[in-house]
Amino acid sequence: EAQVTQNPRYLITVTGKKLTVTCSQNMNHEYMSWYRQDPGLGLRQIYYSMNVEVTDKGDVPEGYKVSRKEKRNFPLILESPSPNQTSLYFCASSSLAGGDYEQYFGPGTRLTVT
Amino acid sequence: GENVEQHPSTLSVQEGDSAVIKCTYSDSASNYFPWYKQELGKRPQLIIDIRSNVGEKKDQRIAVTLNKTAKHFSLHITETQPEDSAVYFCAASHDNAGNMLTFGGGTRLMVKP
Repeated sequence: EAQVTQNPRYLITVTGKKLTVTCSQNMNHEYMSWYRQDPGLGLRQIYYSMNVEVTDKGDVPEGYKVSRKEKRNFPLILESPSPNQTSLYFCASSSLAGGDYEQYFGPGTRLTVT
Repeated sequence: GENVEQHPSTLSVQEGDSAVIKCTYSDSASNYFPWYKQELGKRPQLIIDIRSNVGEKKDQRIAVTLNKTAKHFSLHITETQPEDSAVYFCAASHDNAGNMLTFGGGTRLMVKP
């Protein structure tokens, strides 16, 4: 089954404790992206990657890091989480080939930083 | 960069009525405009999209219209049903593969039975 998976689905942590949210896709997609969703603000892009070892900042990259060492994985790293990073996070992937423009989203990770 | 504004933020309709959600964008280079539906507790899923060389696209009860001159696009849902209740997001992209999406703030649609 074609899918994007994220782990963990829920996470409560404390300020300053490093964490990683994993994202994996099995569709051989070149493009992967991280969004955060906050009420009234829609989905805002944090980082994206066009392919292995190619990453770039989105609209709200401060406080986040990413890596793309393998095509299928795109982890999101919070080196020192703060309460303003409490949010719902979505990973998404899509193909760069013509025709299928759809971004496929993971199930989401709800993060609470106290 | 691109800025997408979406209205209204909430919309309540009676079952069977039509619903219209409107979005405006700022970057005239944007050429791909998808709409995503997010049911409560679920992930966003693409429901319809339109490219800049097309003015209107329909898929059963859903249609999207695009006015490039005015830089706005709209989602139209006819004969609404309770299962249409969800949050709807518009987005705009200016890259050829539709990857660099800027999303609107979302519209919570409630369809009353």
